[in-house]
Amino acid sequence: SQTIHQWPATLVQPVGSPLSLECTVEGTSNPNLYWYRQAAGRGLQLLFYSVGIGQISSEVPQNLSASRPQDRQFILSSKKLLLSDSGFYLCALKERGTGNTIYFGEGSWLTVV
Amino acid sequence: GDSVTQMEGPVTLSEEAFLTINCTYTATGYPSLFWYVQYPGEGLQLLLKATKADDKGSNKGFEATYRKETTSFHLEKGSVQVSDSAVYFCALRKSGGGADGLTFGKGTHLIIQP
Repeated sequence: SQTIHQWPATLVQPVGSPLSLECTVEGTSNPNLYWYRQAAGRGLQLLFYSVGIGQISSEVPQNLSASRPQDRQFILSSKKLLLSDSGFYLCALKERGTGNTIYFGEGSWLTVV
Repeated sequence: GDSVTQMEGPVTLSEEAFLTINCTYTATGYPSLFWYVQYPGEGLQLLLKATKADDKGSNKGFEATYRKETTSFHLEKGSVQVSDSAVYFCALRKSGGGADGLTFGKGTHLIIQP
């Protein structure tokens, strides 16, 4: 079965610093990959999704970017963090051709101070 | 656009009580419906799902039935335990085109007291 690894699990960064959150998946090939953010009191918001290497679609305009340099690697980045970037970031995947269930990683807590 | 509405809570119950968490949705076409659970400090886990009208998803004693006529997918459990304390998210997904992701409700915080 597929597994999703995210790191770091927790991160405290100053305003204006860069960010890199990494997600790698195992046990599947050519999945759809997603980045969600869960902010306090605001539920879950889809930030980016990718259907393949180098293919990134953004759902909301923001201070963040995403990249998919390899089939099983999905990276969330920022050049300069804002206070409003604080939240719980979840990587997720959907396997190709096996229905429509989306599976989530354990998440990364980001606090911008 | 698509949306999911669920009671936000917190919902506080005693152990062995009956649980209902309401979820209604707005979507065109025929979405698949999901319940995810998030235990403290963890990511989301799929709890159950239903892919067409009148389907019943079930897992770990939880059940939800896809009701197209009322656009609802209410989560129920006959006897809750302290270990069920978590945040529960109702979500929908439409296959084909666009983001191909999930639309979530805001989550319902469930607290079970011994």
